[in-house]
Amino acid sequence: GAGVSQSPSNKVTEKGKDVELRCDPISGHTALYWYRQSLGQGLEFLIYFQGNSAPDKSGLPSDRFSAERTGGSVSTLTIQRTQQEDSAVYLCASSITPEGNTIYFGEGSWLTVV
Amino acid sequence: KQEVTQIPAALSVPEGENLVLNCSFTDSAIYNLQWFRQDPGKGLTSLLLIQSSQREQTSGRLNASLDKSSGRSTLYIAASQPGDSATYLCAVSTNAGKSTFGDGTTLTVKP
Repeated sequence: GAGVSQSPSNKVTEKGKDVELRCDPISGHTALYWYRQSLGQGLEFLIYFQGNSAPDKSGLPSDRFSAERTGGSVSTLTIQRTQQEDSAVYLCASSITPEGNTIYFGEGSWLTVV
Repeated sequence: KQEVTQIPAALSVPEGENLVLNCSFTDSAIYNLQWFRQDPGKGLTSLLLIQSSQREQTSGRLNASLDKSSGRSTLYIAASQPGDSATYLCAVSTNAGKSTFGDGTTLTVKP
């Protein structure tokens, strides 16, 4: 597609439920990134993929968070047993390579845990 | 650990004024620095990317400079317009694949 596509754009879920957030990067971009932005806060790095592998998972907040990428394209961020503090905007981005290229962001998935 | 600071946190100017946004970072061993714009409820839009070997980049009314040795970057906006109102974020990449973002400067340009 022309840009980074994320779905769902909005998600309201009950505490304790699992959620899956999807990211479809720009075609041909080998690097894919997940960030989290809480209300009024800056961006928090979660994980990045080079192809299908994740060289840096250091930002994942807890073992309830996991991510995968298949076919060097679509990525899914899964949050298990959601908590209220997980409420945030989850932003996905992609770039041609991880080094030195412009990063393009999607519109984000707004997650609210009630 | 890389830390990125943006000053001021908020700025309000009348239309037509030139302005400068500041970004400082603690680790000068960077790949690149990127300036983004974020409108309320939206994702981030890339404005300018400066590689570590470059001093500045220009796009239209925007000019970004980079002084890697002192850990500073500025974003200069000429002849500001109400449509420039947004939050401006700088991001520094020190490891392949990981960028550290500042908290942003929220700009309001009054007609």
